[in-house]
Amino acid sequence: EIILTQSPTTLSASPGDSATLFCKASQTITINLAWYQQIPGQAPRLLIYGASTRAASIPARFSGSGSGTEFALTIAGLQSEDFAIYYCQHYNDWPMTFGQGTTVEI
Amino acid sequence: QVQLQESGPGLVKPSETLSLTCSVSGASVNSIGFNWNWVRQHPEKGLEWLGILFPSGSTWYTPSLKSRLRISVDTTKNQFSLILTSVTAADTAVYYCVREAIMPRGRGFDSWGQGTLVTVAS
Repeated sequence: EIILTQSPTTLSASPGDSATLFCKASQTITINLAWYQQIPGQAPRLLIYGASTRAASIPARFSGSGSGTEFALTIAGLQSEDFAIYYCQHYNDWPMTFGQGTTVEI
Repeated sequence: QVQLQESGPGLVKPSETLSLTCSVSGASVNSIGFNWNWVRQHPEKGLEWLGILFPSGSTWYTPSLKSRLRISVDTTKNQFSLILTSVTAADTAVYYCVREAIMPRGRGFDSWGQGTLVTVAS
């Protein structure tokens, strides 16, 4: 099973700041990685797939990068609605797994 | 626009069987290019992928639950279901049914149900 380790666990930031979240895979997953945003009490929302492709209707301030085992999600110019929990997920093989999440808080 | 809706009991007794159904509208569970999944989230915890149903009807399960989990489909009702046997308190979670889209540049869980809380308690 591939383990995804996200860092930091919690990121404190202010509106307007940029934030970079990291996801490290225990073995190579090429670019078979997605990122999700979850606002507490709601279902997750797909942000990025293929490591760097934005999903439909996702604002351009969200960008993904990386390949192999090291990945990043950058949010440029945090807006109030971006304060949430972010998860990475791989689909390189079975089982698919999620990282433990990064909370972006004010 | 696709919509997914989970239904099933909110309370299940230990050692009994949990059954959930996901009703899909706006898309067909037979559609090529989409797979259908169950994901759960323990209270105040992260996400756990449980299993997947392919358009062919074949399935794949996470190893830790493989002996207790079954996912099935009813194409006449455009629904798919989760059956988890011999539940314990560790199975208490919010259960989501989720569509996975297969796209040119990758895959992703692009549509989620609202989630249903299942509590295992006597």
